[in-house]
Amino acid sequence: AQSVTQPDIHITVSEGASLELRCNYSYGATPYLFWYVQSPGQGLQLLLKYFSGDTLVQGIKGFEAEFKRSQSSFNLRKPSVHWSDAAEYFCAVSPSGGSYIPTFGRGTSLIVHP
Amino acid sequence: DTGVSQDPRHKITKRGQNVTFRCDPISEHNRLYWYRQTLGQGPEFLTYFQNEAQLEKSRLLSDRFSAERPKGSFSTLEIQRTEQGDSAMYLCASSRDHSPGYTFGSGTRLTVV
Repeated sequence: AQSVTQPDIHITVSEGASLELRCNYSYGATPYLFWYVQSPGQGLQLLLKYFSGDTLVQGIKGFEAEFKRSQSSFNLRKPSVHWSDAAEYFCAVSPSGGSYIPTFGRGTSLIVHP
Repeated sequence: DTGVSQDPRHKITKRGQNVTFRCDPISEHNRLYWYRQTLGQGPEFLTYFQNEAQLEKSRLLSDRFSAERPKGSFSTLEIQRTEQGDSAMYLCASSRDHSPGYTFGSGTRLTVV
């Protein structure tokens, strides 16, 4: 069974600083990987996804993520954080076939200081 | 693309009552997923439909829970004899075949008092 670990429950950064949110997954084969963002009381919005190919994936809102098979990681990065990026961020993994049912991590809450 | 719609946005109910939620997926998406999210946690999988067929159910989906997607379009999730532990956000997502990149609705927030 697949699983996702987001080791940081909260991350605090200053506006304009760089950001890296960690995600480690467990899955027997090459998975599909996702990052979602959730604002309070809202659903989840897809930031980016990795299926295959280039291990550095570009997403919306200036986010990127890098798939590292050797480390079973898919960390999310942004070079300069804006106050509007404050939200909950979820990493997810799904099988690369069949039902494609994604499994989510518990999330990382991003706090942005002015 | 009008997105995934969920109704109602909020529901407050007394313990023991039945509740039903509706999800309207993106029209060309044939896969539909229900998730439950409690405070401070990530979404947990409940059940999955491909067209009108319910293909997988989580152990979280007790006998009090039932989901349908009668014509392969909208879906309903019913909880019978609600308990306080059912209080959560219920999220619906849809996707195309062979192209996972799930689009989520805004969710239904259930509070059982």
